[in-house]
Amino acid sequence: KNQVEQSPQSLIILEGKNCTLQCNYTVSPFSNLRWYKQDTGRGPVSLTIMTFSENTKSNGRYTATLDADTKQSSLHITASQLSDSASYICVVSDRGSTLGRLYFGRGTQLTVWP
Amino acid sequence: EADIYQTPRYLVIGTGKKITLECSQTMGHDKMYWYQQDPGMELHLIHYSYGVNSTEKGDLSSESTVSRIRTEHFPLTLESARPSHTSQYLCASIPGQGLYEQYFGPGTRLTVT
Repeated sequence: KNQVEQSPQSLIILEGKNCTLQCNYTVSPFSNLRWYKQDTGRGPVSLTIMTFSENTKSNGRYTATLDADTKQSSLHITASQLSDSASYICVVSDRGSTLGRLYFGRGTQLTVWP
Repeated sequence: EADIYQTPRYLVIGTGKKITLECSQTMGHDKMYWYQQDPGMELHLIHYSYGVNSTEKGDLSSESTVSRIRTEHFPLTLESARPSHTSQYLCASIPGQGLYEQYFGPGTRLTVT
């Protein structure tokens, strides 16, 4: 069964600190992995997209890594800010259909305290 | 900022009413999607469309229906709303095949009393 599991479920950190969010997936065949940021009451916004051949991609203070062999990804946030408080969702796409089916994790709820 | 819009943003309605959630995008994207998301849970695909006059059901069984008469417009309709339909509904679009970013609308928070 194709699944995407994220950990931790929730995380609280102090402003300025770094953190790492984890994503494990069983989706096969694999096409790409995306990290999204979803503010409360809003739609998700894309942070990074990585294909099988990419093992790291950065977007400002966000750096995603991908290990396609172990089917794991992480999202590292550097020097956190209050505005980073949001849900971070890992999404994996399969390669088996023209739709490019997306499998969503439940997200990690990050809270940054001052 | 993505040019994809949803209305209304919030809707509280009584059981048995017919409702239509609007979604429109001005980017000319072919593929559009409807997701349902409960608080703290993952998004579930309920409908998608490859283009005009193309609609398919997603993974999560839904009593809603959709139509795609124009490229930019992908409305979702519930003929008779029930409390079990209370959820957040997110619309999204992608320009085509391949590694494209999926753009999401702001969502509609539906509450059926």
